Amino acid sequence: ETGVTQSPTHLIKTRGQQVTLRCSSQSGHNTVSWYQQALGQGPQFIFQYYREEENGRGNFPPRFSGLQFPNYSSELNVNALELDDSALYLCASSLLGQDLPEAFFGQGTRLTVV
Amino acid sequence: RKEVEQDPGPFNVPEGATVAFNCTYSNSASQSFFWYRQDCRKEPKLLMSVYSSGNEDGRFTAQLNRASQYISLLIRDSKLSDSATYLCVVNVAGGSYIPTFGRGTSLIVHP
Repeated sequence: ETGVTQSPTHLIKTRGQQVTLRCSSQSGHNTVSWYQQALGQGPQFIFQYYREEENGRGNFPPRFSGLQFPNYSSELNVNALELDDSALYLCASSLLGQDLPEAFFGQGTRLTVV
Repeated sequence: RKEVEQDPGPFNVPEGATVAFNCTYSNSASQSFFWYRQDCRKEPKLLMSVYSSGNEDGRFTAQLNRASQYISLLIRDSKLSDSATYLCVVNVAGGSYIPTFGRGTSLIVHP
């Protein structure tokens, strides 16, 4: 087990609604990255948080936003949900500053937008 | 051109075969490299880091070629349990290490 936990594991939402996904990072890690993985594709980088600040962002619209808390846990918020937002959302925890910053994933949240 | 490219496969091999995957990356400033394994409908799990001099972990060997900007994964004596998607990950440096994934290569090992 990686020690990275995500909640909820599954979620069904209606188009136009808002959703908040949560991630608890591995003990000792200071960085959380969020990914969206559609079926048959690799994980696509949404954004990364380091010490409570956004530390990089992928090609996602502003309705995707996030937070990192002092204990390094994190939230991903998506507003105005669209059908194409249906995907597996993965959170990865890592320790920035080491030579090989290996990332460890939570089990993911499977979001279905109907 | 995508930052990290992989042949999606699938690679269909018999048990006991040796199979190799390549992954190319576009950013020459990339500094760290990994292979992850992902089983169907599960999260990616770290398989191995890729060191500059190449490294081996049991039946798995990873190589890095900086000049040609690719990494490779070799699996010897394939087992049925090796069937999975193998994701190449490149950390693009420059102030933040952002793990960037390829789309993955599907491996099917059959009896």
